[in-house]
Amino acid sequence: AQSVTQLGSHVSVSEGALVLLRCNYSSSVPPYLFWYVQYPNQGLQLLLKYTTGATLVKGINGFEAEFKKSETSFHLTKPSAHMSDAAEYFCAVTASGTYKYIFGTGTRLKVLA
Amino acid sequence: NAGVTQTPKFQVLKTGQSMTLQCAQDMNHEYMSWYRQDPGMGLRLIHYSVGAGITDQGEVPNGYNVSRSTTEDFPLRLLSAAPSQTSVYFCASSMGVRDTQYFGPGTRLTVL
Repeated sequence: AQSVTQLGSHVSVSEGALVLLRCNYSSSVPPYLFWYVQYPNQGLQLLLKYTTGATLVKGINGFEAEFKKSETSFHLTKPSAHMSDAAEYFCAVTASGTYKYIFGTGTRLKVLA
Repeated sequence: NAGVTQTPKFQVLKTGQSMTLQCAQDMNHEYMSWYRQDPGMGLRLIHYSVGAGITDQGEVPNGYNVSRSTTEDFPLRLLSAAPSQTSVYFCASSMGVRDTQYFGPGTRLTVL
């Protein structure tokens, strides 16, 4: 079975500062990992995903994440926050052999001017 | 190409009423799923389908039924609505489990 934990339900950063959103997963088989973003009153859209191959994954809007098997982590980063990054971010996990996506509880990012 | 569509956008029900939330996709995706989103709990999987005629339960299936008679449509039925089913419901589709899920705009359901 898979599970995912997002540390910090709310994160505030200043505009131009580093964004770091944490995600740790649990999986008994090699996982597939995703980050999705949700803007107010909208559905979710994919930021980036890791399935196999390169462990550093680049996504849209300057975000990237690194799959670290030894730490069971898939943290999301962006070097410089922009006001438009304010949203809720969800980490999700699934794996080959299962069809169940498990989402984290989400991290709401606030960007301060 | 409309992507994933959901109807209605808003719905208010009384306890005990039944209704169907509609979901359709025009991307020929095999995998479709229903989630509910509640504050502080993220998205929780209700039911999913890996193709027409094949459905299975997710994390929180009680009180909900689904069917998948075509590739395009995946309706979610509430048999007897309860206040605990007040939530925002999202439908999503993807080619397969490792592929990007495309989400609909959601249905905000209130059960009184």
